[in-house]
Amino acid sequence: SQQGEEDPQALSIQEGENATMNCSYKTSINNLQWYRQNSGRGLVHLILIRSNEREKHSGRLRVTLDTSKKSSSLLITASRAADTASYFCATDEDTGFQKLVFGTGTRLLVSP
Amino acid sequence: GAVVSQHPSWVICKSGTSVKIECRSLDFQATTMFWYRQFPKQSLMLMATSNEGSKATYEQGVEKDKFLINHASLTLSTLTVTSAHPEDSSFYICSAYSLAGSSYNEQFFGPGTRLTVL
Repeated sequence: SQQGEEDPQALSIQEGENATMNCSYKTSINNLQWYRQNSGRGLVHLILIRSNEREKHSGRLRVTLDTSKKSSSLLITASRAADTASYFCATDEDTGFQKLVFGTGTRLLVSP
Repeated sequence: GAVVSQHPSWVICKSGTSVKIECRSLDFQATTMFWYRQFPKQSLMLMATSNEGSKATYEQGVEKDKFLINHASLTLSTLTVTSAHPEDSSFYICSAYSLAGSSYNEQFFGPGTRLTVL
């Protein structure tokens, strides 16, 4: 499977600012998910957006999906130092098989 | 949510030895488990898909004879790295998929195993 790409690769902001990261993918999908990974740890599922949805909110997270452009964005509002982590998008390819293809990831650093 | 554990959480071994990593679904039955490898500052790359009671399906470029996968029960899959070499040093993460419950592809991830081969 071809990996999706995320940008920026790294993002450094101050607490209270918003962080936006983008994900592009290559194939038709059933849904797209965003995960967070703290350094050296496992993945934490953040949010899932289905292919027929355009926007979804969960707390301080806002995800958009544009299937015509094969892209998604994750917005974290009012960021906190605890949001410092790597963020990955993952797509569920529309092959009927439950494989996830992860993006390259964005490393977010939120400074107090 | 469902819990997936991995054991060990970290392991250091000598070159040429074999290492077994366990992935367990603690409170649900996992018909399918996935094994990923993650090099430092990189993303997760799927290595193989493990289905209970059948042979694993390996991704292109992953040596099946080097990375042995056994999914002997609905709650346990093991990954054995045979004749490990320093280039096999990586973070190995498993995930488990449950048919019951969610209508979408919900995978539950283990905490990962850090393998260092000297």
